[in-house]
Amino acid sequence: KQEVTQIPAALSVPEGENLVLNCSFTDSAIYNLQWFRQDPGKGLTSLLLIQSSQREQTSGRLNASLDKSSGRSTLYIAASQPGDSATYLCAVRTGANNLFFGTGTRLTVIP
Amino acid sequence: EAGVTQFPSHSVIEKGQTVTLRCDPISGHDNLYWYRRVMGKEIKFLLHFVKESKQDESGMPNNRFLAERTGGTYSTLKVQPAELEDSGVYFCASSQEAGPSYEQYFGPGTRLTVT
Repeated sequence: KQEVTQIPAALSVPEGENLVLNCSFTDSAIYNLQWFRQDPGKGLTSLLLIQSSQREQTSGRLNASLDKSSGRSTLYIAASQPGDSATYLCAVRTGANNLFFGTGTRLTVIP
Repeated sequence: EAGVTQFPSHSVIEKGQTVTLRCDPISGHDNLYWYRRVMGKEIKFLLHFVKESKQDESGMPNNRFLAERTGGTYSTLKVQPAELEDSGVYFCASSQEAGPSYEQYFGPGTRLTVT
C-alpha cells in the first residue's frame, strides 16, 4: 500500500530565503508525482506535475525534483515571499486513477 | 471556464442526521472523483465516476456513504446517518479523461462538521 510522507509538517522562514520541502513515498511504481498548494478555505492548486520518466520540473521560482528509485521528491522555492504561505501537498499517482497524498507541509513566510 | 464547484462550502449537522454534498465538475469532464480529509490525516480517495458509472469505489468507508452521478453531470455524496468521525473536508475533482496523463482539477471542498 502506498504511503506518502512529508517533512517537515510545518516550516517558518523569513522572506527572501530559499527553502526545500520534502516528500517520500514507499512504492516506487508510480506514474507521476504532483505538488499542490492549498490556501485556507480554498481548493487544491496544482503547482507542478512530474512524470515518472522525468527528473525535474520548473515553474517560475518553483523547482520540483523526482528520484523514483529512492522514493523521494523535493520542492524548492526560491526567494520566498509572504504570498507563498500556504500548505503544500505532494501526491503520487499509481496504476489506479486515484492519488495518494501526503499530510502536507504548512509554510509560513515571515515578512 | 468555470472550475470545479462544490456546495455547500460548510455544513454543520448533528450526529444521526443526513447531509448531501454536491459537486459540479468542469464542463465536458467525464471523470469525477471524490476525496476526503479527516482531521490530522491525509487526503484520501473515495471513489471515481466515469460519466454516470462508478469506476472505482474502493475508498468508500462504509455503506453510510452513497455517491450518485445521474446523467453523468454533477454528483452528490450523501452521508446517512452521519457520525462524528465523518467530520472533515470533502473534495471533488474532475478530469477530461482517465489515466495518469490527465490532470485532476480540484474544487474548494466542503467542510463537514458533525456534532
